[in-house]
Amino acid sequence: QPVLTQSPSASASLGASVKLTCTLNSGHSRGAIAWHQQQPEKGPRYLMKVNSDGSHTKGDGIPDRFSGASSGAERYLTISSLQSEDEADYYCQTWDNDNRVFGGGTKVTVL
Amino acid sequence: EVHLVESGGGLVQPGRSLRLSCGASGFTFGDHAMTWVRQAPGKGLEWVAFIRSKDFGGTTEYAASVRGRFTISRDDSESIVYLQMNSLTTEDTAVYYCGRETGGSTDYWGQGTLVTVSS
Repeated sequence: QPVLTQSPSASASLGASVKLTCTLNSGHSRGAIAWHQQQPEKGPRYLMKVNSDGSHTKGDGIPDRFSGASSGAERYLTISSLQSEDEADYYCQTWDNDNRVFGGGTKVTVL
Repeated sequence: EVHLVESGGGLVQPGRSLRLSCGASGFTFGDHAMTWVRQAPGKGLEWVAFIRSKDFGGTTEYAASVRGRFTISRDDSESIVYLQMNSLTTEDTAVYYCGRETGGSTDYWGQGTLVTVSS
């Protein structure tokens, strides 16, 4: 079964960039993942799917400030030009034939 | 525009049952797998169950924590996905979200419905 590892927290200043990492476990390192944003007191919102080759497909209305990339077993979400509304929890998700798996989430604080 | 609206949450005693519904619109419901994900208070997202589209057999998969107690089903004629929850425990207290799947990922989410299991 796939397992995803995320750092619990990250922070950056308003207008700066932050890069979040989601790491796939051994045996699943070539899998695709999805990134989701959850703002305080709201439901999750799909941001994008990131493939092992770094290509990514964003959801409807997701700003260009959000981008994805890959390297080995790591999948990245970079948020550029940080806005106050980007302060949220960010979850990665992956899947195999029988399971869906979420990482523990990264709380992003905008300083 | 894709819309998913959950209903059926509420306060229920331990050991009792509850059925959640999720109405969908804005897309061809029968073409997509559908999923349920929950979030306990102050915790992260936990996948609960998903059901494949009829083209893929309409079969179901469950997280180990709910297998044997929860049942996911779908009514493609009404564009509704259900989650029947039996033998509820306090550990099942959470906001339950339904989601549309595309290629394994959840690409649209509902707003959630709160289930509180307490005596």
